[in-house]
Amino acid sequence: DSGVTQTPKHLITATGQRVTLRCSPRSGDLSVYWYQQSLDQGLQFLIQYYNGEERAKGNILERFSAQQFPDLHSELNLSSLELGDSALYFCASSRGQAQGSPLHFGNGTRLTVT
Amino acid sequence: SQQGEEDPQALSIQEGENATMNCSYKTSINNLQWYRQNSGRGLVHLILIRSNEREKHSGRLRVTLDTSKKSSSLLITASRAADTASYFCATEGPGNDMRFGAGTRLTVKP
Repeated sequence: DSGVTQTPKHLITATGQRVTLRCSPRSGDLSVYWYQQSLDQGLQFLIQYYNGEERAKGNILERFSAQQFPDLHSELNLSSLELGDSALYFCASSRGQAQGSPLHFGNGTRLTVT
Repeated sequence: SQQGEEDPQALSIQEGENATMNCSYKTSINNLQWYRQNSGRGLVHLILIRSNEREKHSGRLRVTLDTSKKSSSLLITASRAADTASYFCATEGPGNDMRFGAGTRLTVKP
């Protein structure tokens, strides 16, 4: 058990809808990362937060947004969903701003857009 | 965009053999890490090598890093069926973001 909790585990929704994915980092970890993994693909880096502030941005679409709250949990909001957004969305946390801290991954949220 | 590229994309070996996976990257890095993913699950950290290190060992794992060639390799010795998984390299850039490659899918046949 990595200590990172992601909810929900599965999400099925229709095109055009909006969903929110939630992540609770490991106790004591200040950084949260979001990744998207499409079928049999690598992980696409979306965004990173450290102690409530955005630190790095990857290939995150304008339809997607995220935030990290004062209690350090994070939410990833996906709107105007398209079929191509179907993927596994992973959250990971680390002690500091990376700098050699290993990432601890949750088990992901599997999003299916129909 | 992804930073690392693993090679090969897929590798199939017999139990007891060694497995070697390679990773190439494009920009300067602070460190490089290897992760393992069992099907559909979250990734698990295996080993980290810093930019000023050339080789590192952990159990049956051996990692090398050649910053001049911007490449790394992961060697798993005496492989077991339980090593069957996808293996990813991840690079930490100067901005502390962690970028992953597309992974190598390793199958170890009993």
